[in-house]
Amino acid sequence: AQKVTQAQTEISVVEKEDVTLDCVYETRDTTYYLFWYKQPPSGELVFLIRRNSFDEQNEISGRYSWNFQKSTSSFNFTITASQVVDSAVYFCALSEAGTGNQFYFGTGTSLTVIP
Amino acid sequence: DADVTQTPRNRITKTGKRIMLECSQTKGHDRMYWYRQDPGLGLRLIYYSFDVKDINKGEISDGYSVSRQAQAKFSLSLESAIPNQTALYFCATSEVQGRKQFFGPGTRLTVL
Repeated sequence: AQKVTQAQTEISVVEKEDVTLDCVYETRDTTYYLFWYKQPPSGELVFLIRRNSFDEQNEISGRYSWNFQKSTSSFNFTITASQVVDSAVYFCALSEAGTGNQFYFGTGTSLTVIP
Repeated sequence: DADVTQTPRNRITKTGKRIMLECSQTKGHDRMYWYRQDPGLGLRLIYYSFDVKDINKGEISDGYSVSRQAQAKFSLSLESAIPNQTALYFCATSEVQGRKQFFGPGTRLTVL
């Protein structure tokens, strides 16, 4: 079973629109960590955020915000006022304390921001 | 200088050849990982190592082997490459459990 599901394979938005990328995870551990990474067309993986399972506080960083809800096992990522430079593939990942810090990645969401 | 480096960055080889991909890190992390990325499948874990004497299989270890020569070096080998091993390979490191992983720039491998 997929531990991290990113149901949106591809999303296209027009510049300045807001966009939300969905991430649903599955775990039986009470201690776990969630991550978002960005992969721009150049191919490198860029870390965006880390959340632990005991901290449900939402976070905002500039145009980026994250909504962590344990009740629905979701960790969604919103980009406000999208820009062309936001075009990339975005990966959500889960690390469980019980599996010794293995990372489970979702299949990614490819975001295209149209100028 | 980059904290996690991978060599080579690109490699084209033929079916049946032995290939080694190398990863070096200057972050001083004990934990190192090898992933492969295929379109539409995200990153899948091949092998991981928590220290020099600890090697573990990941989700898709068949057809691969690894060597942890030192804390800073973790190599991935394809003993007899096959075309469906064509992919983008990433090495990563992390400090301790639950911390973010730092990724190398990736190696694009093509097996003809």
